[in-house]
Amino acid sequence: KNQVEQSPQSLIILEGKNCTLQCNYTVSPFSNLRWYKQDTGRGPVSLTIMTFSENTKSNGRYTATLDADTKQSSLHITASQLSDSASYICVVSANAGNNRKLIWGLGTSLAVNP
Amino acid sequence: KAGVTQTPRYLIKTRGQQVTLSCSPISGHRSVSWYQQTPGQGLQFLFEYFSETQRNKGNFPGRFSGRQFSNSRSEMNVSTLELGDSALYLCASSLEVNRETQYFGPGTRLLVL
Repeated sequence: KNQVEQSPQSLIILEGKNCTLQCNYTVSPFSNLRWYKQDTGRGPVSLTIMTFSENTKSNGRYTATLDADTKQSSLHITASQLSDSASYICVVSANAGNNRKLIWGLGTSLAVNP
Repeated sequence: KAGVTQTPRYLIKTRGQQVTLSCSPISGHRSVSWYQQTPGQGLQFLFEYFSETQRNKGNFPGRFSGRQFSNSRSEMNVSTLELGDSALYLCASSLEVNRETQYFGPGTRLLVL
């Protein structure tokens, strides 16, 4: 069964600290993995997208890693800011012929406190 | 370019009623997808429309329907509302069908009493 699991479910950190969010998946056939940031009351916004051959990709203070062998990805946030408070969702794309299927994780809710 | 817009932003209905939600995609985008988001289930795919035709469909009952107009604007309808339909309904647009890059609107928050 195609599945995406994220941990932790929620996280509280102090401003300026780093944190790492995890995403484990069992999706086949794997096409790519994307991390989204969703602010409260807003729609998700894409942070990074990673294909099978990519190990690391950065977007400012956000760095995503992908280990296709262990089917794990992480999102590392450096020097957190109050504006990083949001839900971070991992989604894996499975391609079967002409159909694309997206499998969404439940997200990690991050709160950055001053 | 203006982003994806959804109306209304908030809605309160009672069980048994029906509701219509609207989505205007980014100019030039021809594909519109709809999602239901709840805390326990996350984002769940409802359907995708392209060129006024439904191209992909998720596992939702027939009470959930949609359509797309010639200007790519899309509407989603839910009939005979149930308490469990309370959710955030998100619309996402992309250039073509099955494209990986989607741009989401702010969503419509539906509460069914």
